[in-house]
Amino acid sequence: KAGVTQTPRYLIKTRGQQVTLSCSPISGHRSVSWYQQTPGQGLQFLFEYFSETQRNKGNFPGRFSGRQFSNSRSEMNVSTLELGDSALYLCASSSATRLPYEQYFGPGTRLTVT
Amino acid sequence: GENVEQHPSTLSVQEGDSAVIKCTYSDSASNYFPWYKQELGKGPQLIIDIRSNVGEKKDQRIAVTLNKTAKHFSLHITETQPEDSAVYFCAASMGSGGGADGLTFGKGTHLIIQP
Repeated sequence: KAGVTQTPRYLIKTRGQQVTLSCSPISGHRSVSWYQQTPGQGLQFLFEYFSETQRNKGNFPGRFSGRQFSNSRSEMNVSTLELGDSALYLCASSSATRLPYEQYFGPGTRLTVT
Repeated sequence: GENVEQHPSTLSVQEGDSAVIKCTYSDSASNYFPWYKQELGKGPQLIIDIRSNVGEKKDQRIAVTLNKTAKHFSLHITETQPEDSAVYFCAASMGSGGGADGLTFGKGTHLIIQP
């Protein structure tokens, strides 16, 4: 079974721009969560989508948003980029069929804001 | 909200020796405690997890223990090998339903296996 895939793997953007990252979960998994990883703050939960609905949200500003499509693929968008948004953005998928839900991570998208 | 503390931040052990990483959590409602291993340039890999109704779980050279009263859990790796070198993260969540509740992670432990 193929794992979680994320595209692109690397991205360089300029302050003020916006960016969209993509995640394809493990086949059959209906839940997708997004995390931000930085050296200073570590791994932080952004939000989780299930059946195209955001079910859970972390403590990030509204510039961070996401969506999920009917095939469970998910996108994350960051608007008005700031230097502090430079990070590794990780997507995790879960089958969401048995509590608690095990989460499996993709390789991440490395975003650099200049 | 939940807060997870992880120690030590760096751990160096001789190949063949055991390694122990410890985590504490703050929210007594947390009931799911996974451990992840992250190698350079890769995403975190789930290596073992434990649920609150279990005190210990083993998988070959890896074991995790949970003390709900003290709100701490530990990862034990025996007979360490060079490929065990990586950053290890503990995490906690309430897993209460309503989806894959967000995991709260510790800051990570850089495990170095000395040959």
